[in-house]
Amino acid sequence: GESVGLHLPTLSVQEGDNSIINCAYSNSASDYFIWYKQESGKGPQFIIDIRSNMDKRQGQRVTVLLNKTVKHLSLQIAATQPGDSAVYFCAENTGGFKTIFGAGTRLFVKA
Amino acid sequence: EAGVAQSPRYKIIEKRQSVAFWCNPISGHATLYWYQQILGQGPKLLIQFQNNGVVDDSQLPKDRFSAERLKGVDSTLKIQPAKLEDSAVYLCASSSQGLWTSVNNEQFFGPGTRLTVL
Repeated sequence: GESVGLHLPTLSVQEGDNSIINCAYSNSASDYFIWYKQESGKGPQFIIDIRSNMDKRQGQRVTVLLNKTVKHLSLQIAATQPGDSAVYFCAENTGGFKTIFGAGTRLFVKA
Repeated sequence: EAGVAQSPRYKIIEKRQSVAFWCNPISGHATLYWYQQILGQGPKLLIQFQNNGVVDDSQLPKDRFSAERLKGVDSTLKIQPAKLEDSAVYLCASSSQGLWTSVNNEQFFGPGTRLTVL
């Protein structure tokens, strides 16, 4: 079946640097994409989302980029902080129904 | 605003036993979701309720898993009998938006119940 996947399982960055987490999706009918952050022992937490009629959306220190041509999604975190250490999941949604999560990327922030 | 509540937080059982998980969503949220998250993987949707009706249960192993949301508020997920491969974190989430809406449908997750089947 179609699924959402990630390029890298782990990412290690220096505190203060920018982080980029990538994600590939395969369902061309998906029209809504979400990034979640999951800390140890907690449920996923919404970070930012984007609809398929956009190619970029910015939040506080985070930016999501969507490239529908190559079915690629990325999350950029500016000035990465130790509190950003977590597992990040991209997820896709089609027509308001089932949300499909990718496998996740673990982000390590070195002090 | 109180978040999504789940209990218990941890459960250890032996295979072939039964177990039940409880979820209380954020007040007023119409949509409730149960996810299974196996270690090292992303959450997988088991069942989605809209009020007290089932919207999607295509990935629910119905021979052993059941879920209900009788009054459209809290929900229970049951496994009977449990297998070793059911060891996972069971996450409950809720959202305020219904179906067929153009408004983004942010899901709020509870802390999950970690199930270990021995």
